[in-house]
Amino acid sequence: SAVISQKPSRDICQRGTSLTIQCQVDSQVTMMFWYRQQPGQSLTLIATANQGSEATYESGFVIDKFPISRPNLTFSTLTVSNMSPEDSSIYLCSVEGVAGPSPYNEQFFGPGTRLTVL
Amino acid sequence: GQQLNQSPQSMFIQEGEDVSMNCTSSSIFNTWLWYKQDPGEGPVLLIALYKAGELTSNGRLTAQFGITRKDSFLNISASIPSDVGIYFCAGPGKGTSYGKLTFGQGTILTVHP
Repeated sequence: SAVISQKPSRDICQRGTSLTIQCQVDSQVTMMFWYRQQPGQSLTLIATANQGSEATYESGFVIDKFPISRPNLTFSTLTVSNMSPEDSSIYLCSVEGVAGPSPYNEQFFGPGTRLTVL
Repeated sequence: GQQLNQSPQSMFIQEGEDVSMNCTSSSIFNTWLWYKQDPGEGPVLLIALYKAGELTSNGRLTAQFGITRKDSFLNISASIPSDVGIYFCAGPGKGTSYGKLTFGQGTILTVHP
């Protein structure tokens, strides 16, 4: 599996500001994903970060609120814009694995960024 | 959208006991994945299941892909304190786009020494 790192690991931010989260992978991967995990909740996919094209967003998530960059095959950023307390969550990036017989391969997750908005 | 119903929501057990948790769906899943999340960490993949009926073990963990492709269970034998955490089932539903995983609500496991 790939080694995934995220920066920052945690942050406390003021309402109305923006935070950019970085995700770095130690190998080239085609697919990178961003998830949100609200307090005490499960994981929800925000978007798929596509290299060389715009991210693909899931229902309920929009580019203006969560702009994503994917400049190369090992790096992606997620920005949480104009934050409110409701954005307080853990934000996780993940990458697809390369093993397995199914075209829907396993995903491996970074350690997450714990965001608190005051 | 597709949903995974995971149960139980939480479990409190004594060290050495066996644990069983399961996931069900109203729609077919092509792959079942079981993850564990420790506090302050991202989920770690425990077991991946690809075929209906498949039974796979990873140490003290055993998971099965239901014959109907709409359910899966995870068993942990002889639990130890480090088994504490949140366990999630996940999978890409039939017909969903590549990489889109749906997660269950999670089972919070507490192991008393």
